[in-house]
Amino acid sequence: AQTVTQSQPEMSVQEAETVTLSCTYDTSENNYYLFWYKQPPSRQMILVIRQEAYKQQNATENRFSVNFQKAAKSFSLKISDSQLGDTAMYFCAFWGSGTYKYIFGTGTRLKVLA
Amino acid sequence: DVKVTQSSRYLVKRTGEKVFLECVQDMDHENMFWYRQDPGLGLRLIYFSYDVKMKEKGDIPEGYSVSREKKERFSLILESASTNQTSMYLCASSLLQGAISPLHFGNGTRLTVT
Repeated sequence: AQTVTQSQPEMSVQEAETVTLSCTYDTSENNYYLFWYKQPPSRQMILVIRQEAYKQQNATENRFSVNFQKAAKSFSLKISDSQLGDTAMYFCAFWGSGTYKYIFGTGTRLKVLA
Repeated sequence: DVKVTQSSRYLVKRTGEKVFLECVQDMDHENMFWYRQDPGLGLRLIYFSYDVKMKEKGDIPEGYSVSREKKERFSLILESASTNQTSMYLCASSLLQGAISPLHFGNGTRLTVT
């Protein structure tokens, strides 16, 4: 069965600094996608970034980028130039063509400090 | 922009009551999902639906049922609420089956069962 592990329950970072959130997963599938979702204190969850497993190039969305290590089954999120608005719970998620559903990690609560 | 609306932000119910959580999306999405979010456990899938009148069990369906009579509306039903169903409930929708289209979430309903 697929699993998604986020080993950092809480993290903090100073404003304007860079922070990396870790995520590892386990799967035997070859066709899958990985995601980072953000849930701010207002609670609506939004998509931050996604990565297709068949793509070697790491995805980037403005200040957000991923380090996708397929062999190691690692999918970390890097936030550059952290802003107060980045304070949120971040969930790593996996979707596989075999299971056809999303599997979420337990989340990392990130606090950006002024 | 896609809007996913959950009818209640906060709900307090008594043990044994029948509880309805309503979710409506306004973008003609095929897929709708109900998740439960608990600290340290992440998001767990309760039920999902790929089409009107269709439903599939997720990972934790026990104690819940769903209804999808219209494409835009997906209801979660707690037949006889229990205290262990106190949780945050998130509804989500997506356009197509699969990960090509991301999940769009509602704001969540925090349910307390006393």
